[in-house]
Amino acid sequence: AQSVTQLGSHVSVSEGALVLLRCNYSSSVPPYLFWYVQYPNQGLQLLLKYTSAATLVKGINGFEAEFKKSETSFHLTKPSAHMSDAAEYFCALLPGNRDDKIIFGKGTRLHILP
Amino acid sequence: NAGVTQTPKFQVLKTGQSMTLQCAQDMNHNSMYWYRQDPGMGLRLIYYSASEGTTDKGEVPNGYNVSRLNKREFSLRLESAAPSQTSVYFCASTNVGQGTDTQYFGPGTRLTVL
Repeated sequence: AQSVTQLGSHVSVSEGALVLLRCNYSSSVPPYLFWYVQYPNQGLQLLLKYTSAATLVKGINGFEAEFKKSETSFHLTKPSAHMSDAAEYFCALLPGNRDDKIIFGKGTRLHILP
Repeated sequence: NAGVTQTPKFQVLKTGQSMTLQCAQDMNHNSMYWYRQDPGMGLRLIYYSASEGTTDKGEVPNGYNVSRLNKREFSLRLESAAPSQTSVYFCASTNVGQGTDTQYFGPGTRLTVL
């Protein structure tokens, strides 16, 4: 069975500090992995995705994520947090056999402290 | 391109009333989805349609019906609304297996059932 686990429903970091949002997955087939961001009162939009090419994936707004098969992880990082990064972040998995259903984690709300 | 559009943006219903949420996409995507988002629950798949003319149940289909009217449109119907259906509803679309797999989301419908 496929699953996605996001560690920490809320994460707070100071402006300028490192952002680290954790995502672990379980998949019986090689997965495609995604990070989506949701700003208040908006829909989700794609930050970045891993589709079996490079393991280090760069996305929009300075975010990046590294696929680590040995750790079954796909953590999201940004070197320096900005106030505009405050949002909810969702890790998602699409099984490599593409059975049409993407699986979302429960989300992590990122708070930026001034 | 408008992307994914949803109507209405807000709706208040009384218990037992019915309504249809409309979704349309102009990206020529094959697959469309309906999710509900509740605090602490992340996104839960209600129904999806892998292609025009097909629909399948997701994780939480009870109390809902869907229609894939054509390739562009995918509607969600609540026949007899219940307070437990108070939620934010998102429609999404994608082309699975065609090099993208990115889901594009609408802005959401905020539904309150009294």
